Amino acid sequence: GAVVSQHPSWVICKSGTSVKIECRSLDFQATTMFWYRQFPKQSLMLMATSNEGSKATYEQGVEKDKFLINHASLTLSTLTVTSAHPEDSSFYICGLKRGEDNSPLHFGNGTRLTVT
Amino acid sequence: GQNIDQPTEMTATEGAIVQINCTYQTSGFNGLFWYQQHAGEAPTFLSYNVLDGLEEKGRFSSFLSRSKGYSYLLLKELQMKDSASYLCVPLDSNYQLIWGAGTKLIIKP
Repeated sequence: GAVVSQHPSWVICKSGTSVKIECRSLDFQATTMFWYRQFPKQSLMLMATSNEGSKATYEQGVEKDKFLINHASLTLSTLTVTSAHPEDSSFYICGLKRGEDNSPLHFGNGTRLTVT
Repeated sequence: GQNIDQPTEMTATEGAIVQINCTYQTSGFNGLFWYQQHAGEAPTFLSYNVLDGLEEKGRFSSFLSRSKGYSYLLLKELQMKDSASYLCVPLDSNYQLIWGAGTKLIIKP
């Protein structure tokens, strides 16, 4: 069954507005969740690692003030794209591991963001 | 640097067998995953290899040779629903997943 629930599946917003994406762990208390972005025909790019109760760790080149991550509980992490622009249009995917570091990453269904 | 090499695209016939090869170079190695990604969807986990040899799971098998930096995914009895991208994802010494663009597999009737 599903391990991760991501919402919404798709969203269209106007340039300059903010969008929040939720990622829920359904059957596991996840201290760490991962946020990825994927542009068409490109590989997944890790944006940040979300840590429960502390600040997220952002990858180089990802603006932490633009992509706000909140991991307030062991089952919920949120990604807010602030002041969205058309170039932020992408497929955003969250994931988590249910065990050790070499455990597989299980993903949510992803969120297709289109900024007009 | 870290690098993954897979064919960009492959075509196979329904009911046949296909092997998707992958060579990789990573800073350290803690195993290798294969994921399946249908168009417009998130990847789903298929297999994990950390020791040399073949792991079989139903119609799908995955092979690893650590000394050669080589892995393959073998798909048997191909079905139309197997049309997807297949991602070879090694895990480096820091347990970071190294993602490439994958192989787009097209199944024809």
